[in-house]
Amino acid sequence: GNSVTQMEGPVTLSEEAFLTINCTYTATGYPSLFWYVQYPGEGLQLLLKATKADDKGSNKGFEATYRKETTSFHLEKGSVQVSDSAVYFCALSEGVGNTPLVFGKGTRLSVIA
Amino acid sequence: EPEVTQTPSHQVTQMGQEVILRCVPISNHLYFYWYRQILGQKVEFLVSFYNNEISEKSEIFDDQFSVERPDGSNFTLKIRSTKLEDSAMYFCASSERSGGNYGYTFGSGTRLTVV
Repeated sequence: GNSVTQMEGPVTLSEEAFLTINCTYTATGYPSLFWYVQYPGEGLQLLLKATKADDKGSNKGFEATYRKETTSFHLEKGSVQVSDSAVYFCALSEGVGNTPLVFGKGTRLSVIA
Repeated sequence: EPEVTQTPSHQVTQMGQEVILRCVPISNHLYFYWYRQILGQKVEFLVSFYNNEISEKSEIFDDQFSVERPDGSNFTLKIRSTKLEDSAMYFCASSERSGGNYGYTFGSGTRLTVV
């Protein structure tokens, strides 16, 4: 079945550091890929998405590129801020019909000033 | 920005008791979902709901679980007889269109603790 594996956290970075959170997936078809973010006390928010190979999703300075050859969708940001501290979830969906999301375990990011 | 609202934010219940978790999806959304996250584990799909019926459910969603849209605005998850292993964060979500390509809007979650 479909699955998502993302790097274990927590990740602690200093402000303005470069961020990478690795995500790889296993899927039987051609899924859409997502990154969701959960800020403290809030729900899951869609951060970015990519629906086909080589697509790059981007939002708020975060980027991720859909790499079919390596089945990866790594999240990157060039310069993190304290306000980026949150839990980040990689997810996939087959995207056909009302199909559910399959999530990774989440990676907690803490950015210190 | 429109929100999905979940109540309560925290609930503690005794094993064997029934609980109802409530959600108010975004008003023009037609597809509704429940997910849960046991502490330290993955967010897992429970059930999807469209046109007043379940469209898909996972193995977790057994006979102890039910969903209902009683009045056109609320979307509820009922656990008939709670077990310790039901302790988790439960997320409601809604979407305007079907299919994962569009992403969902999630609520803040209800943390359920079964003692």
